[in-house]
Amino acid sequence: AQSVTQPDIHITVSEGASLELRCNYSYGATPYLFWYVQSPGQGLQLLLKYFSGDTLVQGIKGFEAEFKRSQSSFNLRKPSVHWSDAAEYFCAVGARFTGTASKLTFGTGTRLQVTL
Amino acid sequence: DAGVIQSPRHEVTEMGQEVTLRCKPISGHDYLFWYRQTMMRGLELLIYFNNNVPIDDSGMPEDRFSAKMPNASFSTLKIQPSEPRDSAVYFCASSQERASSYNEQFFGPGTRLTVL
Repeated sequence: AQSVTQPDIHITVSEGASLELRCNYSYGATPYLFWYVQSPGQGLQLLLKYFSGDTLVQGIKGFEAEFKRSQSSFNLRKPSVHWSDAAEYFCAVGARFTGTASKLTFGTGTRLQVTL
Repeated sequence: DAGVIQSPRHEVTEMGQEVTLRCKPISGHDYLFWYRQTMMRGLELLIYFNNNVPIDDSGMPEDRFSAKMPNASFSTLKIQPSEPRDSAVYFCASSQERASSYNEQFFGPGTRLTVL
């Protein structure tokens, strides 16, 4: 069964500082990997995704993530955090569409607080 | 496109009452997912449909929960009778299967359910 671990429940960074949110996954095949962001009272918005190819993927809002197969990780990074980035971030692993194998499994989320 | 539409956005009800949550997926999407989000359990997949057919309902907590998708543009999640422990935010998401695409899920804004 697929699983996702986000070891950091809560992270606080200063505005302008760099950010790295950790994500480790468990999946038997080549995974699809996603990062979603949820602002308070809102639904989840896709930040970026990885399927294959270049292991460093760029997303919206200046975020990027690097897939490291050897470490089963897909960490999210941003070089300079803005106060508007304060939100909850979810990593997810998905199976390729094969009829029944179409589910995403989400991590428990990391809440990001940004101090001014 | 208007995105995934959910109604109501907020629902407050008393224990024992029937609750119906509604979802309109993005036009052309052939997968629909229902999730529940709580502080204790995070984001859980309850059930998902493919072409209006339920594929996996293993996440439905108990018989009090039921979901239907009578057509490609509408789905309901019903709780009867409701209990205080059902209080959560319920999300609907949809996606489209393409051979060359990731199974990106688009989320609605959610329904915040409070059962008193």
